[in-house]
Amino acid sequence: GQNIDQPTEMTATEGAIVQINCTYQTSGFNGLFWYQQHAGEAPTFLSYNVLDGLEEKGRFSSFLSRSKGYSYLLLKELQMKDSASYLCAPYTGRRALTFGSGTRLQVQP
Amino acid sequence: DADVTQTPRNRITKTGKRIMLECSQTKGHDRMYWYRQDPGLGLRLIYYSFDVKDINKGEISDGYSVSRQAQAKFSLSLESAIPNQTALYFCATSDFLEGGVYEQFFGPGTRLTVL
Repeated sequence: GQNIDQPTEMTATEGAIVQINCTYQTSGFNGLFWYQQHAGEAPTFLSYNVLDGLEEKGRFSSFLSRSKGYSYLLLKELQMKDSASYLCAPYTGRRALTFGSGTRLQVQP
Repeated sequence: DADVTQTPRNRITKTGKRIMLECSQTKGHDRMYWYRQDPGLGLRLIYYSFDVKDINKGEISDGYSVSRQAQAKFSLSLESAIPNQTALYFCATSDFLEGGVYEQFFGPGTRLTVL
């Protein structure tokens, strides 16, 4: 089975930096996805990490430690439009993705 | 036009009714999925299909059935709807990335209410 743990909610200020953590336990592991989901909308792909380390993509970066079963998503220069849920999804190479419950991020002025 | 479409976008039905949610894609992907999303529970997999002749149950398939009519179409049916099937339903397709990974693309969702 799989166990995925993310904080339920976070609040941050516009212009700041926020780190959203995800820990996971899976049977087999190929890599880890992060998706963004605005309220009532479809999830959209943010990043996929296979190797340990940090991968940067504009204002968003994602980090993976395979040995620790740990990942985080780092959002810099926060904007109001970044208010959304962020879903962590480890990929085991079988069937479909299993998603964490998501972290709801509220960006305040 | 959207690559993954779902119909209807919203539906209100009564307990015991049969209902079908439809999903179509123009991305040419073989793999298609149905998820439901409930507040605080994230996305849970109902059924998935890796090609027209390959259909598999997900973690919460009880009370649901699916039909893969063609590569581009994957329908989800609730045989006899019950109130705890009230949720937001997403269809998804997936594309092969390097390294044996499949990125998923989601439709806009269908909000289903069962009274």
